[in-house]
Amino acid sequence: KNEVEQSPQNLTAQEGEFITINCSYSVGISALHWLQQHPGGGIVSLFMLSSGKKKHGRLIATINIQEKHSSLHITASHPRDSAVYICAVSTTGGGADGLTFGKGTHLIIQP
Amino acid sequence: EAGVAQSPRYKIIEKRQSVAFWCNPISGHATLYWYQQILGQGPKLLIQFQNNGVVDDSQLPKDRFSAERLKGVDSTLKIQPAKLEDSAVYLCASSLGDKRTDTQYFGPGTRLTVL
Repeated sequence: KNEVEQSPQNLTAQEGEFITINCSYSVGISALHWLQQHPGGGIVSLFMLSSGKKKHGRLIATINIQEKHSSLHITASHPRDSAVYICAVSTTGGGADGLTFGKGTHLIIQP
Repeated sequence: EAGVAQSPRYKIIEKRQSVAFWCNPISGHATLYWYQQILGQGPKLLIQFQNNGVVDDSQLPKDRFSAERLKGVDSTLKIQPAKLEDSAVYLCASSLGDKRTDTQYFGPGTRLTVL
């Protein structure tokens, strides 16, 4: 069983729709990260959070530590939001803080 | 501010050959990571350096992979000999190392194809 599970794996939606991507984890964490990866491009960090909620533009990330669950929301989605969205966690303990990644959610926003 | 630099961007080799990748992190970043991303999967941590010391290399296949960061700045990752299953994108990332602000910044990656 993967330590970080994302759903859905693939999501196709129409421009303007409200998008939700879910992430569940099974280990103790010091932080949870949401990242974006465009085809052929590098990975960009969107959010890092350890509690509550963060908002940046049309993106909102929430985390529930007790339930070990996080969601990434995109409001008023646009074709340029099409990308792979990856959830990753920094696990607790020791000095290492390399990320453990989910498999990603491939999002396509159609005009 | 310059980002994380990696070279080459693409590499094609035959199995059993050797290959090396180079990474230059963001200036002042103490922590450097190498990740392997196989097609269709999320990245997997191979090794983490804090300055020039290894913090975590538990998932590095040490029989064929090696990495170094001799002066605490640039890093190289080597595969010798390569296998077909090593075909992947190799990502380098860096962070300041302060856990309160430990955002990782990723380079563009090196896409390796082993034939």
